[in-house]
Amino acid sequence: DSGVTQTPKHLITATGQRVTLRCSPRSGDLSVYWYQQSLDQGLQFLIQYYNGEERAKGNILERFSAQQFPDLHSELNLSSLELGDSALYFCASSEGDSATNEKLFFGSGTQLSVL
Amino acid sequence: AQKITQTQPGMFVQEKEAVTLDCTYDTSDQSYGLFWYKQPSSGEMIFLIYQGSYDEQNATEGRYSLNFQKARKSANLVISASQLGDSAMYFCAMRELDTGGFKTIFGAGTRLFVKA
Repeated sequence: DSGVTQTPKHLITATGQRVTLRCSPRSGDLSVYWYQQSLDQGLQFLIQYYNGEERAKGNILERFSAQQFPDLHSELNLSSLELGDSALYFCASSEGDSATNEKLFFGSGTQLSVL
Repeated sequence: AQKITQTQPGMFVQEKEAVTLDCTYDTSDQSYGLFWYKQPSSGEMIFLIYQGSYDEQNATEGRYSLNFQKARKSANLVISASQLGDSAMYFCAMRELDTGGFKTIFGAGTRLFVKA
């Protein structure tokens, strides 16, 4: 058990809908990362927050947004969903932010299916 | 351009033998970190090993070792004495400072099959 909690584990929804994925980091970790894993795109970095602030951005669509709350949990909001958004969404956490040796601890992921 | 390249989509190894999973990376930074993660069929991502760009010694963690060749920009994972439980997807990753902050990016992965 990595200590990172993601809910829900599975989500099935329709095109055009909006969903929220939730992540609680390991105790003591200040950074939260979101990744999208699909068969054709591999593991893609979306966005990172550190202690409530956005720090790094990757290939995140404008339809997607995220935030990190004062209690350090994070939410990833996906709107106007398309079939291609179907993927496994991982949250990861790390202690800090500014080092090359930050080891990421991953949650078990949320499997999103857009029908 | 791909920052992390894993050229072996799939690999087979006999149980108890050693196997090398290849990884090359591309960066202009002097300071960066290299990681390997394992993803079993259950789906979770598990950290295996870390190598810093300034580390002179190759990293080792139990049966895992990282063959770091900085000039060639390669960071191959060596698994010794393979076990059936090693069958999984393996991802090479690099953490470097990019615009806006540090990012950890992943290669496409190599699926390892361990044969009994």
